[in-house]
Amino acid sequence: DAGVTQSPTHLIKTRGQHVTLRCSPISGHKSVSWYQQVLGQGPQFIFQYYEKEERGRGNFPDRFSARQFPNYSSELNVNALLLGDSALYLCASAGVSYEQYFGPGTRLTVT
Amino acid sequence: QQQVKQSPQSLIVQKGGISIINCAYENTAFDYFPWYQQFPGKGPALLIAIRPDVSEKKEGRFTISFNKSAKQFSLHIMDSQPGDSATYFCAARDNYGQNFVFGPGTRLSVLP
Repeated sequence: DAGVTQSPTHLIKTRGQHVTLRCSPISGHKSVSWYQQVLGQGPQFIFQYYEKEERGRGNFPDRFSARQFPNYSSELNVNALLLGDSALYLCASAGVSYEQYFGPGTRLTVT
Repeated sequence: QQQVKQSPQSLIVQKGGISIINCAYENTAFDYFPWYQQFPGKGPALLIAIRPDVSEKKEGRFTISFNKSAKQFSLHIMDSQPGDSATYFCAARDNYGQNFVFGPGTRLSVLP
């Protein structure tokens, strides 16, 4: 079975632009969470979605938004990009247990 | 309250030795404690996890020890191998917010 997939792998954007990151969970998993990982730090929780509803939100500005689709895939949107948004963005999916599995991430560079 | 503390920041171990990484927390709403292994340029991979009603869990060379009263848990890697060289993160699930809080990570280097 395929694991969590994310696209694109790498992305370079300019300050002020908008970006959309995509995630497909493991087949059968209905929960998707998004994390931001700055180089040298642990992942920071951004959002959790379950059955298309937002179940949790971390301490991130309103420039960050997300949604989950009927097939349980998800998008993370970031508006008005800042240099500080440069990071590895990770998507994780979970099934009925607490076990959370991460995708390979999208490396976002804001110049 | 939401913080998970992790030590050491970096660790160097000889091949065949035991690697020990420690974590501590304050939030009593945490109800599940996984450990993740991350190689450069990759996403974190789930290694082993424990719930607070269990004091120890072993899977192969990896063991979690959990002390509920002290709010501490640790990862032991037995017979450490150069292929174990990676960054290790402890994490805790917040039962109230249903999100995971991660420690800052430990960079492990296993010398051949």
